[in-house]
Amino acid sequence: DIVMTQSPDSLAVSLGERATINCKSSQSVLYSSNNKNYLAWYQQKPGQPPKLLIYWASTRESGVPDRFSGSGSGTDFTLTISSLQAEDVAIYYCQQYYSSYTFGQGTKLEIK
Amino acid sequence: QVQLQESGPGLVKPSETLSLTCAVSGYSISSGYSWGWIRQPPGQGLEWIGTFSQNGNTYYNPSLMSRVTISVATSKNQFSLRLNSVTAADTALYYCARHRLVVVVAATMGAFDIWGQGTMVTVSS
Repeated sequence: DIVMTQSPDSLAVSLGERATINCKSSQSVLYSSNNKNYLAWYQQKPGQPPKLLIYWASTRESGVPDRFSGSGSGTDFTLTISSLQAEDVAIYYCQQYYSSYTFGQGTKLEIK
Repeated sequence: QVQLQESGPGLVKPSETLSLTCAVSGYSISSGYSWGWIRQPPGQGLEWIGTFSQNGNTYYNPSLMSRVTISVATSKNQFSLRLNSVTAADTALYYCARHRLVVVVAATMGAFDIWGQGTMVTVSS
């Protein structure tokens, strides 16, 4: 199994500031035949199902604000929220879909 | 607008079988996409259980494979999960979800783009 490890486990950021969440996979999720990283990011608010934010490591899902961006390749990835809004308080998960489907443990994002 | 809705018993006894159904509206599941189940124990993270692929195959989490069956009822536009020999460790919020790729592309069905609201299942005597 590919193990996904996120850091930090929790994060407190001031409104309007940048939030950065990291995700590391135990093996590369870059598929050589199409040069795509099989990595997604989700946002989960209390009492709600996860919401897809980013797929192919850096492609924003339709309707997702452009303050959310994804970057990275191979085994190291980052989700960045450029200017934190109150509604961004949530738990964020990364997920690989290169070999089966596994999720990171989650990062809880709060307002400082 | 595609919507998914899980249903099934909220309480299952240890050693018995958990059975859930996911009703899909707004799209015919026989037309494409792959459809999966994910669970989330209370206060914990997400675990993929398995997927029914648009190519007719089913894929399961290796850690659950011996106990899981996913089936599809295209006439009812729904798919189902059966998990047998349950224990307290199977207590979780169970979600059904759609993979975002219409067809399998480069060996993947893609991330999960549409989710149901989830249904809580407790395993207890």
